[in-house]
Amino acid sequence: AQKITQTQPGMFVQEKEAVTLDCTYDTSDQSYGLFWYKQPSSGEMIFLIYQGSYDEQNATEGRYSLNFQKARKSANLVISASQLGDSAMYFCAMREVDTGRRALTFGSGTRLQVQP
Amino acid sequence: EADIYQTPRYLVIGTGKKITLECSQTMGHDKMYWYQQDPGMELHLIHYSYGVNSTEKGDLSSESTVSRIRTEHFPLTLESARPSHTSQYLCASSALFQYFGPGTRLLVL
Repeated sequence: AQKITQTQPGMFVQEKEAVTLDCTYDTSDQSYGLFWYKQPSSGEMIFLIYQGSYDEQNATEGRYSLNFQKARKSANLVISASQLGDSAMYFCAMREVDTGRRALTFGSGTRLQVQP
Repeated sequence: EADIYQTPRYLVIGTGKKITLECSQTMGHDKMYWYQQDPGMELHLIHYSYGVNSTEKGDLSSESTVSRIRTEHFPLTLESARPSHTSQYLCASSALFQYFGPGTRLLVL
């Protein structure tokens, strides 16, 4: 079974500063995918970034980067130059590979508040 | 940009009513999913579909049912709504990545 752990229920960051949101995972699969989603108060889930377990380089998408440490089973999200619009819930998720359904297992989320 | 739609966005309904939450996608994805999310909590898979006429229960037990008669359409039905069904319901479809609809916030009084 897969498990995602996000140990930070809430985080505060000053505008324009960088912030790291923690995510650790547990799986017996050799091949897996890790995702980060943003959920604003409106409720939709916005895909931010993806990291494959065999990717040698850390994924980056604009201001988002994923600090992937396979041996430690961590996949932390780094947001650089925080903006007020970054205030939201952030979910780390893992995609099943060994089952055909390829559903996502989610962590409990981190609520990020960006302060002016 | 993903094209996946859910209606209604918000629904307030009385106990015992039958409701259908609509989900449609225009990307031709075979795999579709329904997740349930209580406020501020993680998402839990309640139903998924591999394709037309293929549906399965997810990890979280749910009294809802789903159908998949067309590739683009994956509605969720509650035959008799109860206050315990109050939650947000998110539909998703996937090829390489999983894309989500805007969600339906259901309140059962």
